[in-house]
This record gives sequence, structure tokens and C-alpha cells, in this order.
Amino acid sequence: DAKTTQPPSMDCAEGRAANLPCNHSTISGNEYVYWYRQIHSQGPQYIIHGLKNNETNEMASLIITEDRKSSTLILPHATLRDTAVYYCIVRANKFYFGSGTKLNVKP
Amino acid sequence: NAGVMQNPRHLVRRRGQEARLRCSPMKGHSHVYWYRQLPEEGLKFMVYLQKENIIDESGMPKERFSAEFPKEGPSILRIQQVVRGDSAAYFCASSWGGRDNEQFFGPGTRLTVL
Repeated sequence: DAKTTQPPSMDCAEGRAANLPCNHSTISGNEYVYWYRQIHSQGPQYIIHGLKNNETNEMASLIITEDRKSSTLILPHATLRDTAVYYCIVRANKFYFGSGTKLNVKP
Repeated sequence: NAGVMQNPRHLVRRRGQEARLRCSPMKGHSHVYWYRQLPEEGLKFMVYLQKENIIDESGMPKERFSAEFPKEGPSILRIQQVVRGDSAAYFCASSWGGRDNEQFFGPGTRLTVL
């Protein structure tokens, strides 16, 4: 499975869009990009996933570059409750969780 | 529709004892995954099971750890002769299909070894 690179932390003002980047330069053609988040010590929560096309759901949008070597998770209007560690995962088989990005949403 | 359930939520064991962690997948899910998370670290894959079969145990320590997912009942992660280094949060996830389906996680079991 391809490995991912994410910044260790990011800050975002409440109400603004949070854009979380992820590099996955070794991704192969059949690997999906998944995003999960972990709030405090709870179980990870599924956010969104995609293969080639951009995806949007009620939680977020996922933008995947044309060469699929990177992606961006967008939380359109961040709230304090979005403060969490966000994991970008690429998988064909088992999930590999890296260190993720700690998103701090500030008032 | 209940989510993934894990019990106990907190488990305290003394060195040398056995720990049994249980996971009931979401209704309709037949695939179960176990992960371990040490403090300040990401989740590490341990084992992937389908009913009565171990599909991938590449993340399981070679000794003292075992997992099962019987035809009836929850999946069990068993740790024999626990040591302090086993202290961690253990998360279970389930999916309805195999590897290309999103996994839904339980709340975890926090194991403390004294």
C-alpha cells in the first residue's frame, strides 16, 4: 500500500474553510484515497473517499489531482468540533494510518 | 442501526494475566479489522478477519496475540501473559465487503497493564 505525507499540524479560524493536503506520490491505479478523523481518543470516523474524481458529501469535499499523486480534504466551514487528527490513507488492501494532521480550529 | 460495539471500554490487567477484547461488528458486516494505537501515535493494523477465517494477520505480534471471529458471536482479540508494553487503545472496525469498502470503527478498548 502507498504511504502518505501530511503536515503534522494546521490552524484554522472558526467559520473558514480548512484545506488539508496529502501527498501520495507512490499511489497505484487501484488504490483509493480515504480520509478519516479521530477526535480526542475516540474511534476514527469515516469522512470521505475517492479514486479519481472529486467527491463531495455532507461533511467535506475531496479534491484529487489529475496525476493522483496528491489530494486535499476541504471542510467548507470549520467549527470548533472539527478539531481532530485527520488521517489520509491510500489503500488497496489494509489501511495504513500515518501520523495524520492535527487540525486546530480556533474561535 | 447500532454501530460497532466493543467491550470492555476499559480493561486493567496485571503483568502475566490474559486480556480478552470483544468486538461486535455492525449489522450486516462480515469483515472485522483490529488496530492498536499507542499514545501520541497513529493506528497500526493488526489483523483482518472474515467469519471463521483469518485473512491477513501480518500486523499481529508472533507470540501471545491471537484473534478469532467465530460463526456466531463477537470477534475476540486475545492477549496472553500481558506485559506493560501491551498498554494501548485497541480499536475494532467492520465493513460489509472486503478491502475496498469503508471501515466503521468502534469506540475502542483501553488496556492498562500494571
